[in-house]
Amino acid sequence: SYVLTQPPSVSVAPGQTARMTCGGNNIGSQSVHWYQQKPGQAPVLVVYNDSDRPSGIPERFSGSNSGNTATLTISRVEAGDEADYYCQVWDSSSDHPVFGGGTKLTVL
Amino acid sequence: QVQMVESGGGLVKPGGSLRLSCAASGFTFSDYYMSWIRQAPGKGLEWVSYISSSGTTMYYADSVKGRFTISRDNAKNSLYLQMNSLRAEDTAVYYCARRGFGANWLDPWGQGTLVTVSS
Repeated sequence: SYVLTQPPSVSVAPGQTARMTCGGNNIGSQSVHWYQQKPGQAPVLVVYNDSDRPSGIPERFSGSNSGNTATLTISRVEAGDEADYYCQVWDSSSDHPVFGGGTKLTVL
Repeated sequence: QVQMVESGGGLVKPGGSLRLSCAASGFTFSDYYMSWIRQAPGKGLEWVSYISSSGTTMYYADSVKGRFTISRDNAKNSLYLQMNSLRAEDTAVYYCARRGFGANWLDPWGQGTLVTVSS
């Protein structure tokens, strides 16, 4: 089964830029999706197909994907961005979604 | 607006059964694949199962295969998860989520229902 690797935690000061990575074998050949989950809440899709944003998601959220690493970037970080972030791809060999272990974003 | 509401969670003894429901609204339910995803306390997301729009194709994670059954009633805009032979490691919040039309992301997600397996 396909494995996605995320760093457990990332810390950033308000107003700075947060970058969270998602590693996988040749992940650049796949479509990567990102979810934000705040404490006690359900996950919310924030980026799909590597870099597209659903309606209602601020432009501060962006994504990229190349080689063995996909990245979710949050510009001008706000206290309200503090959450767990999960990357996801679709494992075509087993035909089901695969999630990374998640990264906890702490806003200092 | 598009919405899913799960129900049916609770406390059950090991070896017991439980049936989860997910009521969908705000979209043409019969057009979409639907999934169940779970999250153990303090842990990450784990895909459990998904079902095709017509209900004829189902997939399961190895961890639940043979114990869980996914189904849907398109006339009632509802998704179900029958869970049998429950184990302590099945303790989690269970979410239903819609698979993007012709795509492979999950959006939106329901608020989740907690299943606790304990004696």
